[in-house]
Amino acid sequence: DTGVSQDPRHKITKRGQNVTFRCDPISEHNRLYWYRQTLGQGPEFLTYFQNEAQLEKSRLLSDRFSAERPKGSFSTLEIQRTEQGDSAMYLCASSWIGQAGANVLTFGAGSRLTVL
Amino acid sequence: LAKTTQPISMDSYEGQEVNITCSHNNIATNDYITWYQQFPSQGPRFIIQGYKTKVTNEVASLFIPADRKSSTLSLPRVSLSDTAVYYCLVGDVYSGAGSYQLTFGKGTKLSVIP
Repeated sequence: DTGVSQDPRHKITKRGQNVTFRCDPISEHNRLYWYRQTLGQGPEFLTYFQNEAQLEKSRLLSDRFSAERPKGSFSTLEIQRTEQGDSAMYLCASSWIGQAGANVLTFGAGSRLTVL
Repeated sequence: LAKTTQPISMDSYEGQEVNITCSHNNIATNDYITWYQQFPSQGPRFIIQGYKTKVTNEVASLFIPADRKSSTLSLPRVSLSDTAVYYCLVGDVYSGAGSYQLTFGKGTKLSVIP
């Protein structure tokens, strides 16, 4: 397994355009998280899935943001009508949550979004 | 969710031991303490996790006093490559029901000086 993969690594877009990020988690992991990180700040939680179910969404996740995890495998995060304030690193992480496992997150390298 | 407080930054010379303390006064009974390391333009990376007393792995040690209201990450003999941001997180790692969020603060920026 190569870890958590995110694509694209960098995206530059114009304000008002839609963008989509993809995350491929570690295959045996049943939880998948999305975070957003701006310069000088720690990662901010956006949402997470357990298998295909989206169990929690932060209030940071406005109605312009939508995340999916069809079939409990890869996930996509779409931002519609992007704004300059959406410029950030979008991080995906996965973990195994189970009776015998501690929830240690494995992060991808992130997708950096720049909105012009 | 338990809030954490860490120093914003620390400097250390190469070869020294570095101790980063995190305060978490309202830690809950089921909460574990987890530390992550983050290099620029990379995602955070797990370092160590513990519940009480002392935990040691090949990278670091984690000291947790009996009241669990704080914890200290100890990095032995740091090198330039240990320059990074270190985050302390507190949460119920075994939660299998309901919401579970890992909240990162601003972390501690460690600068190792030659």
